[in-house]
Amino acid sequence: EADIYQTPRYLVIGTGKKITLECSQTMGHDKMYWYQQDPGMELHLIHYSYGVNSTEKGDLSSESTVSRIRTEHFPLTLESARPSHTSQYLCASSEGPTQGGVNYGYTFGSGTRLTVV
Amino acid sequence: GENVEQHPSTLSVQEGDSAVIKCTYSDSASNYFPWYKQELGKRPQLIIDIRSNVGEKKDQRIAVTLNKTAKHFSLHITETQPEDSAVYFCAAKYNFNKFYFGSGTKLNVKP
Repeated sequence: EADIYQTPRYLVIGTGKKITLECSQTMGHDKMYWYQQDPGMELHLIHYSYGVNSTEKGDLSSESTVSRIRTEHFPLTLESARPSHTSQYLCASSEGPTQGGVNYGYTFGSGTRLTVV
Repeated sequence: GENVEQHPSTLSVQEGDSAVIKCTYSDSASNYFPWYKQELGKRPQLIIDIRSNVGEKKDQRIAVTLNKTAKHFSLHITETQPEDSAVYFCAAKYNFNKFYFGSGTKLNVKP
């Protein structure tokens, strides 16, 4: 089934560890995004990509980095996790706008709930 | 950049009543406005959207209205049911398919 998948679903890790949150989509979308969200709270854009080899920082400053080597894959990496990184990380993708100017919303992944102890 | 304000932050209604959530945006170039519903512990799901060339769109019990002049748009849920309880986010498209989200409204429908 075409969807967007995030792994792991939950992660508890010690301070100073390097972690990579995986995000893959099978919808062929060019555009992908990472949001940080405390449960039920505001969504903050931390990274986005408009296609392969394209990555941009979002509006919320983040110590994480991303890469986009393949269309379907948009992993997020924290080189040295800290307790302040504890949050939920949501990956999303979208198509559009099309050449006809039609816009589409995001499809979100199920999220990774990260706890740094 | 874009700024999206959403009100109220919490809303409690009795089952069967209507619920209205309002959002305002700042970028007059925004032309697409989706709404997302996020149930507890789940991913946000697109429930309805509206493009700037229409003023209203309806899908069963939910509707969205858009006032481009005033730069505000609203979500209307009629005949609310307990399963409508969730956090709702509005969003406005800004700068080539990047979205700004409102801060969310926690809707509680009391049976």
